[in-house]
Amino acid sequence: EVKLVDSGGGLVQPGGSLTLSCTTSGFTFGDYPMSWVRQAPGKGLEWVALIRTKGYGETTEFVASVRGRFTVSRDDSKNVARLQMNTLKVEDTAMYYCTRTSRILGGSHFDYWGQGALVTVSS
Amino acid sequence: DIQMTQSPSSLSASVGDGATFTCRASQSISNYLNWYQQKPGKVPRLLIYAASSLQSGVPSRFSGSGSGTDFTLTINNLQPEDFATYFCQQSYIIPYTFGQGTKLEIK
Repeated sequence: EVKLVDSGGGLVQPGGSLTLSCTTSGFTFGDYPMSWVRQAPGKGLEWVALIRTKGYGETTEFVASVRGRFTVSRDDSKNVARLQMNTLKVEDTAMYYCTRTSRILGGSHFDYWGQGALVTVSS
Repeated sequence: DIQMTQSPSSLSASVGDGATFTCRASQSISNYLNWYQQKPGKVPRLLIYAASSLQSGVPSRFSGSGSGTDFTLTINNLQPEDFATYFCQQSYIIPYTFGQGTKLEIK
């Protein structure tokens, strides 16, 4: 059974840092890119970041609003992905979901999701 | 960035009815369009990928169509568990972007 477990959320002051972890099981982690998607309270979904597989250099992509502040990493030996968030802003407050990113027929889709980690940025 | 626009923003229907959701991209995205369902307080669930491919485990009453800029999600014979919010998402180019969602409510 594919499983993704998000952890590390919490309350942080503006300008602070937080690291989210996504612990996975049930699939060959190293074969899949991983993405993070967030959802502000009462709002829609926003893709935040992607990390490709080792075969693609573990290269990363970010939405413009977090580029330069967030980094994403993966540890294929532990089946874990991480989202390091620095210089957090009030507008980063959201539920953050780790997602497995599958590529089929040329496109990508988020086929499995973690349960989410709530990040609240407030003074 | 590619903007995804969903219509309508909300839709009322009854159990047993059909429902159609529309998603329009601001530029052609071929068939790189996915649909997700989200119930209140729950994690989004993938329904359709590549515009028309049904994700494993999703009931066959869900179907998707379209290419280029205009896409449709159709649900036949609505069941009580189908009342939720539906999001489209393009994967043609990064940043991946979602539509704002269509909320399906019980009439």
